[in-house]
Amino acid sequence: DAKTTQPPSMDCAEGRAANLPCNHSTISGNEYVYWYRQIHSQGPQYIIHGLKNNETNEMASLIITEDRKSSTLILPHATLRDTAVYYCIVRVGNRDDKIIFGKGTRLHILP
Amino acid sequence: SAVISQKPSRDICQRGTSLTIQCQVDSQVTMMFWYRQQPGQSLTLIATANQGSEATYESGFVIDKFPISRPNLTFSTLTVSNMSPEDSSIYLCSAGGATNEKLFFGSGTQLSVL
Repeated sequence: DAKTTQPPSMDCAEGRAANLPCNHSTISGNEYVYWYRQIHSQGPQYIIHGLKNNETNEMASLIITEDRKSSTLILPHATLRDTAVYYCIVRVGNRDDKIIFGKGTRLHILP
Repeated sequence: SAVISQKPSRDICQRGTSLTIQCQVDSQVTMMFWYRQQPGQSLTLIATANQGSEATYESGFVIDKFPISRPNLTFSTLTVSNMSPEDSSIYLCSAGGATNEKLFFGSGTQLSVL
């Protein structure tokens, strides 16, 4: 079973920051938080991952709470192309660990 | 990153037939996985394709229905056997990069069974 909880859907105005929350209250010490997104009819795309420190890359920022029980993915300036289903996943992140997907959050970017 | 190619991208098949889906990775990878995504649903893991040994299936999936091959570190196949309309789904291949820290996905095979 997926170990994360996400809201089923969210709206965000184009140009604004999209903040997608995720709860992972049973996360283990060696599990990373990963974010993927799936744009309609495509395979999931890796966005970002982190263990306990906040992370930023060219696509997004990941904020993980100090107790690691929740996190937020931030898309700083959302565009219409960011409309997708966003999946928050916890995973050990080593050679053998698979990805179990939850239901994700369907993000709608509004023009 | 790993580039993953899947063939075919889509197919329409008759009930009772079988379809083999191919997954090719542009570099050697340790882990390869097969997923199913039914219409409007999230991805469900079918199995882990192990190189040199039998695949490891998740609960609810069996080898007779979804035989998997993994002849080397860059290639795997998934066969959907004795298909029924309930098998109509998108099937996706996934593979880890050099360290398996990230998993990458193919674009999927859209299967429709009549």
